[in-house]
Amino acid sequence: KAGVTQTPRYLIKTRGQQVTLSCSPISGHRSVSWYQQTPGQGLQFLFEYFSETQRNKGNFPGRFSGRQFSNSRSEMNVSTLELGDSALYLCASSPGIGDGGETQYFGPGTRLLVL
Amino acid sequence: GNSVTQMEGPVTLSEEAFLTINCTYTATGYPSLFWYVQYPGEGLQLLLKATKADDKGSNKGFEATYRKETTSFHLEKGSVQVSDSAVYFCALKRGSGYDKVIFGPGTSLSVIP
Repeated sequence: KAGVTQTPRYLIKTRGQQVTLSCSPISGHRSVSWYQQTPGQGLQFLFEYFSETQRNKGNFPGRFSGRQFSNSRSEMNVSTLELGDSALYLCASSPGIGDGGETQYFGPGTRLLVL
Repeated sequence: GNSVTQMEGPVTLSEEAFLTINCTYTATGYPSLFWYVQYPGEGLQLLLKATKADDKGSNKGFEATYRKETTSFHLEKGSVQVSDSAVYFCALKRGSGYDKVIFGPGTSLSVIP
């Protein structure tokens, strides 16, 4: 099976702009989670989608949003970018239910730089 | 609430040294426990997991045993290599339903020749 893919891999934006990141999960996986990783804050959970519904949410402002499509692909959007949004954004997919459903498989990440 | 605590890094070892990275957790019930590894410039990879008490997960020479009595899941390897240099994350998840995965802060390991 193909692994989790994320596009784009690298992105440079300026403050105030918005950005959309994409994640394609492993075939058959119904859950997609998003994380922000920075040197100072470590790995922080953004949200999880399961079968097109958000079922978990972290403590991020409303500028961060996401969605999941019927084919389980997911996008996350960040509006009104701030310098502090510069980070590696990781997507992880999992079956979401059943035996082994909790095991997450990560993509390579999208590195976002906000200038 | 649920949480994961890992030993502070960075950890620097010589090649062929013994590795232990401590991980303890707080959670109700019987969570599944994981170790993930992140190599420089990459995403996280699942290294091993254990889903019930006394289970031992193992992969690539790494091992960890699910200890319910001490709420621990310490990572060990008998002889580390330079290629093991990475950041290691301990994590837990309760069931496969609505609880999110809880990650520890990560422990950076550098192995020198």
